[in-house]
Amino acid sequence: DAGVTQSPTHLIKTRGQQVTLRCSPISGHKSVSWYQQVLGQGPQFIFQYYEKEERGRGNFPDRFSARQFPNYSSELNVNALLLGDSALYLCASSLAGTWTTEAFFGQGTRLTVV
Amino acid sequence: KQEVTQIPAALSVPEGENLVLNCSFTDSAIYNLQWFRQDPGKGLTSLLLIQSSQREQTSGRLNASLDKSSGRSTLYIAASQPGDSATYLCAGYTGTASKLTFGTGTRLQVTL
Repeated sequence: DAGVTQSPTHLIKTRGQQVTLRCSPISGHKSVSWYQQVLGQGPQFIFQYYEKEERGRGNFPDRFSARQFPNYSSELNVNALLLGDSALYLCASSLAGTWTTEAFFGQGTRLTVV
Repeated sequence: KQEVTQIPAALSVPEGENLVLNCSFTDSAIYNLQWFRQDPGKGLTSLLLIQSSQREQTSGRLNASLDKSSGRSTLYIAASQPGDSATYLCAGYTGTASKLTFGTGTRLQVTL
C-alpha cells in the first residue's frame, strides 16, 4: 500500500502569491492533518480534517485554509505569502483522527518564498 | 500551553554504543505518545507508538517508555549504527485536541 503522498515536493513562490499543497492519505484513513516545520524546530499543528469537517485549527493566520475532499485527500492553501511562510509542510493521516490512532506522515512539501 | 523539551539537543556517539534520548512534557496529561525519525529535509517516519494504557513499546533495537505521572518519555537505542543518524522527535496527544505537540528533536550522529 502507498503511504501518505504529498505534492509537489518542492515549490518556490514570490511574496504575495498564493500556493496550494496537496495530500493523499493512506487508503482507508479518514483523517488528514497539516503541520508546518520551520528549519530547526519541531512541526507545528495547522489543521485537522476528519470526514471532510474541520476538527482542529492551530494558531495560524486566516491566510491559511484547508479542505478535505470526498476521497479524503486534502489541500492546504496559503494566500498572500510572506517570507516567514518558508518551511516544510507536512501532511499526516490517521484512521480516526483522534488520539487513539497512530499518525503517519508524508515526505512533505518544501516551500520557499522569495 | 503544552511544551515539549527534548534532551540532549544533539548527540554524537561511536558505533555500537547504547543511548537514551529524553522527552518531557510540561502538562503530564498525555494520551498517546509517538517517537519519529526525520532524515535531513525529509518527512517523519513513525518509530513507536505508546498508547495511553501502555508504559512501553519495543521494536527491534528501539525501546520507548512513558511515565505519565511525570510526563516523561525515553527512547533507548541499543547497539547504535551509522544508519541511525537522524533527528528524533517525540510527540504527544494532549488535552482534548486531536493534534500532536512536538518537541524540537534530538539530532543524533553515529560515527564509525
